[in-house]
Amino acid sequence: DTGVSQNPRHKITKRGQNVTFRCDPISEHNRLYWYRQTLGQGPEFLTYFQNEAQLEKSRLLSDRFSAERPKGSFSTLEIQRTEQGDSAMYLCASSLAAGVGEQYFGPGTRLTVT
Amino acid sequence: LAKTTQPISMDSYEGQEVNITCSHNNIATNDYITWYQQFPSQGPRFIIQGYKTKVTNEVASLFIPADRKSSTLSLPRVSLSDTAVYYCLVGAFKAAGNKLTFGGGTRVLVKP
Repeated sequence: DTGVSQNPRHKITKRGQNVTFRCDPISEHNRLYWYRQTLGQGPEFLTYFQNEAQLEKSRLLSDRFSAERPKGSFSTLEIQRTEQGDSAMYLCASSLAAGVGEQYFGPGTRLTVT
Repeated sequence: LAKTTQPISMDSYEGQEVNITCSHNNIATNDYITWYQQFPSQGPRFIIQGYKTKVTNEVASLFIPADRKSSTLSLPRVSLSDTAVYYCLVGAFKAAGNKLTFGGGTRVLVKP
């Protein structure tokens, strides 16, 4: 299967702990995106990369959030000092740089902060 | 990005055609109209995209009138597995770095 994969699929953590999620995009895709989705809402854009460069960050991405894509392949999203409000589904997507509106999403990582 | 308005939910029955209309009165000249489908506990999946008139693929049809201020996603002969949330997105995706802005979507429930 050559789709977008995300690990872990589920994460339960206690408030104040740090968590890290991984996304493996489709191999030939230059662009990688992170979104967050809460129950009953559509996904919200967090940040995106073109190759290894992080080109845009949403205001939703507080200082406790950091994302990397060190070699232009997989990406990690780290949340430090988690809060209950961070509980959400974190979605990763990838696309070809020349794509127009078509992104391929992974299954997401569901984070629960207790 | 242009704001979109679509119904919160719709019910249908197996075998029927489902039409979801999305309003985007402030659509700009460079904007495309894109629809995504999302099943529970999965990421969204691209369905169809268009700029004007009609676009059809193996999954759906997209009708866009001449003024482009609305669009209608048509799902022919739905089955139970078409129960999902459908999102209408409008934007000049290349200029926006391909960033997608989702609204609340339309929850479609297909009944037997």
